[in-house]
Order: sequence, then structure tokens, then C-alpha cells
Amino acid sequence: NAGVMQNPRHLVRRRGQEARLRCSPMKGHSHVYWYRQLPEEGLKFMVYLQKENIIDESGMPKERFSAEFPKEGPSILRIQQVVRGDSAAYFCASSPPSKGRVTGELFFGEGSRLTVL
Amino acid sequence: GENVEQHPSTLSVQEGDSAVIKCTYSDSASNYFPWYKQELGKGPQLIIDIRSNVGEKKDQRIAVTLNKTAKHFSLHITETQPEDSAVYFCAFNDYKLSFGAGTTVTVRA
Repeated sequence: NAGVMQNPRHLVRRRGQEARLRCSPMKGHSHVYWYRQLPEEGLKFMVYLQKENIIDESGMPKERFSAEFPKEGPSILRIQQVVRGDSAAYFCASSPPSKGRVTGELFFGEGSRLTVL
Repeated sequence: GENVEQHPSTLSVQEGDSAVIKCTYSDSASNYFPWYKQELGKGPQLIIDIRSNVGEKKDQRIAVTLNKTAKHFSLHITETQPEDSAVYFCAFNDYKLSFGAGTTVTVRA
């Protein structure tokens, strides 16, 4: 059973370009979470999605950032017009279906490391 | 991380000694408290978790204690080994997990 798969593992973009980060959750998982980690900092929640629905995007900047989790295919975190401050590791996690509060393990991918030149 | 304070931010221990990390949270409705370990260049992995109906849980050299009244929980690592060197994050639950700022643990051989 493959774990959470993220790609690309490393991405370099110039200021103003777009970055697309992909996440395939574990088999049977329908909940996806995106977190951002700046160098030597903690994990900051960005967005929580279920299939075709954004449940909580309270941690995601209102501009330039968007996320989706379509019925088919991976979840995508999209950053438009990247700036140097977007340089970070972006982690995706998945969990099985549940109602209400998280009550079990979130399984994390290995992360996508974005560098903006 | 917001609504959860984690201390210390760095911890250096001699191999074989114990390490203790403490977290304080604010959401009184939280009922699930996991600890994650993150090695360099990798994603976080769950190492132990505790639910609010339990005060303590052990798994070999790792233990977690929970004081719901005081809203704090702690990670205890005994007989530390070099492979315990990593960043450790506490978390608490609402409709997502909210993480502490992390503790960088260094085990000196």
C-alpha cells in the first residue's frame, strides 16, 4: 500500500512564475490537508479538502494560492506569481473518511520543496 | 503553531539520558493529542498519540502524559539513542491538526 505521494520533490521557479504541487493520498483516504513549513519552523496549516470540496482554507493566503481535490486525480496546490517568500517545503497529508474532529493519524508525504529565485 | 505552545525549542541530551518536551493547548474540546517526529528532509511521522480518556500511554522508550485540566501534555523519551535526533512536533485536534513550533532534539554520543 503506497504512502502519500507528492511531486515534484523539488521545484525551482523564478519570481512571477506559477508553481503546481501535486499530492496523491493513500488508497482509501478521501481527506487531504496541505501544510507549509518554512526553514527551521513548524508546520502551518493551509487548507483541508475532501473530494471536490474545500472544507477549511483558513490558513491559505487569499491571493495567489488555490487548492483543489477533484473527483479523479491528485490534489493540487497552485501558487500563482510566486515570490521569494513562497520558498518553503509544502507537505500534504491524508486521512481516512471521518466526521468532525480529526481522531486518528494523518499520513504525511515527503514534501515538495519550492525554491523561488 | 497557533493555540499550542511547545517547549523547549531545542534540547541536547547525552546518549542514554531522558528527554522531555511539553506542550500547552487552548482548545478545551480537543480530544486527540499526537506527537510527530520529523527527520531531516523527510515528512513528519506519527510516533505516539493519546486520547483524552487516558492520562498516560507508553510504547517502549516513548511515553506521553496528558493533563486535561491543565491543558498540557508531554513527550518522554527514555534511554535516548543517536537515532532519536530529530525535530518533534506536538499537535492537537479540531477539524485538522494544529502543530506546535517543534523541538529540535540532539542526542550526543
